[in-house]
Amino acid sequence: QKEVEQNSGPLSVPEGAIASLNCTYSDRGSQSFFWYRQYSGKSPELIMSIYSNGDKEDGRFTAQLNKASQYVSLLIRDSQPSDSATYLCAVNTGGFKTIFGAGTRLFVKA
Amino acid sequence: GAVVSQHPSWVICKSGTSVKIECRSLDFQATTMFWYRQFPKQSLMLMATSNEGSKATYEQGVEKDKFLINHASLTLSTLTVTSAHPEDSSFYICSARRDRGHEEQFFGPGTRLTVL
Repeated sequence: QKEVEQNSGPLSVPEGAIASLNCTYSDRGSQSFFWYRQYSGKSPELIMSIYSNGDKEDGRFTAQLNKASQYVSLLIRDSQPSDSATYLCAVNTGGFKTIFGAGTRLFVKA
Repeated sequence: GAVVSQHPSWVICKSGTSVKIECRSLDFQATTMFWYRQFPKQSLMLMATSNEGSKATYEQGVEKDKFLINHASLTLSTLTVTSAHPEDSSFYICSARRDRGHEEQFFGPGTRLTVL
């Protein structure tokens, strides 16, 4: 059974802090990794993709991938109340199906 | 780029009727689209994978005769909920896979179905 695991949270951070969201996956053959943000009552929105080991930065977001440890993370710098949402980690092993984690709820306190 | 639309955004229907939901990729072609269902405060649940020009692949426990999927073109997939019942009330979300080799999926805004 291919799995993607995330801590459900909620993760609570003060405004301006760094929020760190973590995800582990079970299939060593996984090739593509994604982070989605989902606001309450809305559909998921793709915010980061990462395909190789290391860090990938986009604005306040940094995705980190460590294939040896089967671990992918998302850092949000200078967290804002508008970042409060559920963050979904998603992993694709090269086939048609992408496996989604259950999501981590992030709450940024003003 | 990578915009996916869904129509309608919400629908209320009577028990026993059928409801059709459309999913369109507006600025890219999608040979594969996916249909998800999400209940309040719960995870996304993949219902089926829709491939252009072929039959959809349904996840275990999803009734293919109740949830009819048609992927008529590279930009359009439809989900028809047949003989809807109150327990079918949910948030239905489609996504489209952009064929650039990295399996990125882009989600539509979702359709909130309420069956009375």
